[in-house]
Amino acid sequence: QVQLTESGPGLVHPSETLSLTCTVSGFSLTGYSVYWVRQPSGKGLEWMGRMRYNGDTSYNSALKSRLSISRDTSKNQVFLKMNSLQTDDTGTYYCTRPTTGGWFAYWGQGTLVTVSS
Amino acid sequence: DTVLTQSPALAVSPGERVTISCRASESVSTLMHWYQQKPGQQPTLLIYLASNLESGVPARFSGSGSGTDFTLTIDPVEADDTATYYCQQSWNDPWTFGGGTKLELK
Repeated sequence: QVQLTESGPGLVHPSETLSLTCTVSGFSLTGYSVYWVRQPSGKGLEWMGRMRYNGDTSYNSALKSRLSISRDTSKNQVFLKMNSLQTDDTGTYYCTRPTTGGWFAYWGQGTLVTVSS
Repeated sequence: DTVLTQSPALAVSPGERVTISCRASESVSTLMHWYQQKPGQQPTLLIYLASNLESGVPARFSGSGSGTDFTLTIDPVEADDTATYYCQQSWNDPWTFGGGTKLELK
């Protein structure tokens, strides 16, 4: 069945770079897109960016200057890197796979990232 | 970007009917979807394409709307429905989420 699993460091220091991995199973990254969605502590869901099935990427305009998404199809992994982290980047980061119609039926369990010195 | 506006919070008693609204800043046709999120958990899909119930979701949940105005209805509300509910549109790029409506039970 379809599974997505996020992994990464739980703690990042201010001004440093966050690196997260989304490992998927049950589908191919060349057939489906993967999105990153974050949830700042106590707040709502925010779309960060996506890796499309054809390798194209797209980013939230508010994060574009700090964000990079890549993938390794042989390892079934999608990567997120975001630099210059600040305390308001603290929150839970999810990877999720949409259907062709645009709804997110599959989510990872999320990984909590704390930005603190 | 398409802005989706939801009321921040609602409080209802078990057994009542509750409607949660989502208003889009521009038309999203019927490409509106609803999620439930309980504390400490990932969001789960409830309704897709405005009115289609996701498999396994209780029939107490229903959705309606098109264009810019959408509604998620829970009837009757149960204690387990305490959660935050989000709408999300996929008609306009980038896809966007509403700010969420926190449902509390009295």
